[in-house]
Amino acid sequence: SQQGEEDPQALSIQEGENATMNCSYKTSINNLQWYRQNSGRGLVHLILIRSNEREKHSGRLRVTLDTSKKSSSLLITASRAADTASYFCATAEYNNNDMRFGAGTRLTVKP
Amino acid sequence: ETGVTQSPTHLIKTRGQQVTLRCSSQSGHNTVSWYQQALGQGPQFIFQYYREEENGRGNFPPRFSGLQFPNYSSELNVNALELDDSALYLCASSLLTTGISYNEQFFGPGTRLTVL
Repeated sequence: SQQGEEDPQALSIQEGENATMNCSYKTSINNLQWYRQNSGRGLVHLILIRSNEREKHSGRLRVTLDTSKKSSSLLITASRAADTASYFCATAEYNNNDMRFGAGTRLTVKP
Repeated sequence: ETGVTQSPTHLIKTRGQQVTLRCSSQSGHNTVSWYQQALGQGPQFIFQYYREEENGRGNFPPRFSGLQFPNYSSELNVNALELDDSALYLCASSLLTTGISYNEQFFGPGTRLTVL
């Protein structure tokens, strides 16, 4: 069963703008990860944030985690057409060996 | 490129048949997980193998089974195929370390299975 729920389901922006995607989940987690998927291909890992962390950066990516609200956000700054893809959050729980993905946000960046 | 490969790329089967999908993990990884991704949905966890033993299973029936070999390659077997089994099947390898559930996973490109 899926745990994370991404919001919005779809997002369309112009090149150069920032894109923000949100993820909510239901249970206590060990860590939360964000992945990107281009057109039904394999997923690419973007960033992992542990439950005791609040914010992480990687290049143009910024991820926040609020465990009290059970939510996370992914910010892509200065977006490019190449960022067009589906973005998924995935949660890993303590003592549970499944990783639960949300349904994803479909991001379109127009040149 | 993640170093994780899957074969075949595409596969067409008929209802009731059996299928075997293969995955070769990234060098040095001790864990492989399999996911089913229906069109427009996120990946759904099928099971995970760690050191050749099943180490967790999602909500999938027993006709979904797997193997992991000493060289960390892996197979997903599905018996008695149903129409709803049509999906993209993804494997992902990772390095499982004590006390940390799920480090970064490296995904293969997937196998697109169509059941007619």
